Amino acid sequence: QVQLQESGPGLVKPSETLSLTCTVSDGSISSFYWSWIRQPPGKGLEWIGYIYYSGSTNYNPSLNSRVTISVDMSKNQFSLRLRSVTAADTAVYYCARDDGTTSFDYWGQGALVTVSS
Amino acid sequence: QSVLTQPPSVSAAPGQKVTISCSGSSSNIGNNYVSWYQQLPGTAPKLLIYENNRRPSGIPDRLSGSQSGTSATLGITGLQTGDEADYYCGTWDSSLSAGVFGTGTKVTVL
Repeated sequence: QVQLQESGPGLVKPSETLSLTCTVSDGSISSFYWSWIRQPPGKGLEWIGYIYYSGSTNYNPSLNSRVTISVDMSKNQFSLRLRSVTAADTAVYYCARDDGTTSFDYWGQGALVTVSS
Repeated sequence: QSVLTQPPSVSAAPGQKVTISCSGSSSNIGNNYVSWYQQLPGTAPKLLIYENNRRPSGIPDRLSGSQSGTSATLGITGLQTGDEADYYCGTWDSSLSAGVFGTGTKVTVL
């Protein structure tokens, strides 16, 4: 059973960069698409973007200029960087596996990131 | 603002049936697979339906999915108290070149 676990700072200052890592265990990161999804408190889900194990990426146009997703095959990890954050970026950030049809079959438990000075 | 519209809430008594609609367009539901997720309070979403109507291993057959034109539907029969949760539809939007989710529906068991 594939397991995903997010890690990273829970508090980020406005205008700084949010950085999270997702560690994939009990399964190889080779093949499949690996996504980041976020959920502001009390609100719905928002797709941030994905990376294919080969390194190709696709980002939500609304965040495209601020987002970078990368993969480290040697560590079975993929990472999210979101630049120039504001309070509107406060959310629970989930990493998830996408089977290629925008269907997310495995999810991390989620990491709450608060943007505040 | 989501491109997929769901009713904010639906409710029914235990043992009854509920359906949740997900309305989109030809750039998303009309030409891409739909998936459905259940989110219990304080937990990560869980995949219930993929490729419009397929259930992952372990998902009971009282849950079903369908798609017609630019809309999709999730059905839950034999409603149980454990079904109280938020439900989301999701798909790819070819015009946006992005994944999209529905607005979410809260299911209440009366």
